[in-house]
Amino acid sequence: AQSVAQPEDQVNVAEGNPLTVKCTYSVSGNPYLFWYVQYPNRGLQFLLKYITGDNLVKGSYGFEAEFNKSQTSFHLKKPSALVSDSALYFCAVRDGWSGGYQKVTFGIGTKLQVIP
Amino acid sequence: NAGVMQNPRHLVRRRGQEARLRCSPMKGHSHVYWYRQLPEEGLKFMVYLQKENIIDESGMPKERFSAEFPKEGPSILRIQQVVRGDSAAYFCASYGQNQPGPGNNEQFFGPGTRLTVL
Repeated sequence: AQSVAQPEDQVNVAEGNPLTVKCTYSVSGNPYLFWYVQYPNRGLQFLLKYITGDNLVKGSYGFEAEFNKSQTSFHLKKPSALVSDSALYFCAVRDGWSGGYQKVTFGIGTKLQVIP
Repeated sequence: NAGVMQNPRHLVRRRGQEARLRCSPMKGHSHVYWYRQLPEEGLKFMVYLQKENIIDESGMPKERFSAEFPKEGPSILRIQQVVRGDSAAYFCASYGQNQPGPGNNEQFFGPGTRLTVL
């Protein structure tokens, strides 16, 4: 069974500082990894994904994530946080070998609070 | 290209009534997922459907909940005899297998329906 862990319920960071939102995963095959962001009273928006290739993935709004196979992690990062980045962030995983059925497992979410 | 649409955005029901939530996937998408979001529980998978087929309903409660995705029209999540514990945000996401470009793996989410059971 596949699973995702987001160990931090909330991350606080000062505006302009680098931010990291942690995610670890467990999957039997090759992982497909995703980050989504949710603003209040909105649906989830896709940020970035890792399927194959370079371990450092760049996505929307200046976010990037690093795939680390040995640590089974896919932490979300941004060099300089903005107040507008304050939102709920979800990490998700899919087993790349699940064939035509794409079941994606989501983490419980991490609330990012960027302090002015 | 219109995104995933869900209606209503807000739904209030009294205990024992039926709730019917609708989801229209992105144009060209034939795969629909339903998720439930509770404040302390994150996003929970409920059911995965393709046109006229339920592929995986392992996250769906055995009673009172049902889902369909007919050949024509939106996908429907139906909750019969609602209870207060059904109050949550319900999200629909669609996926287009073999779609070209960067959208060939991630799901696209609707804005959600917030169900309140009085």
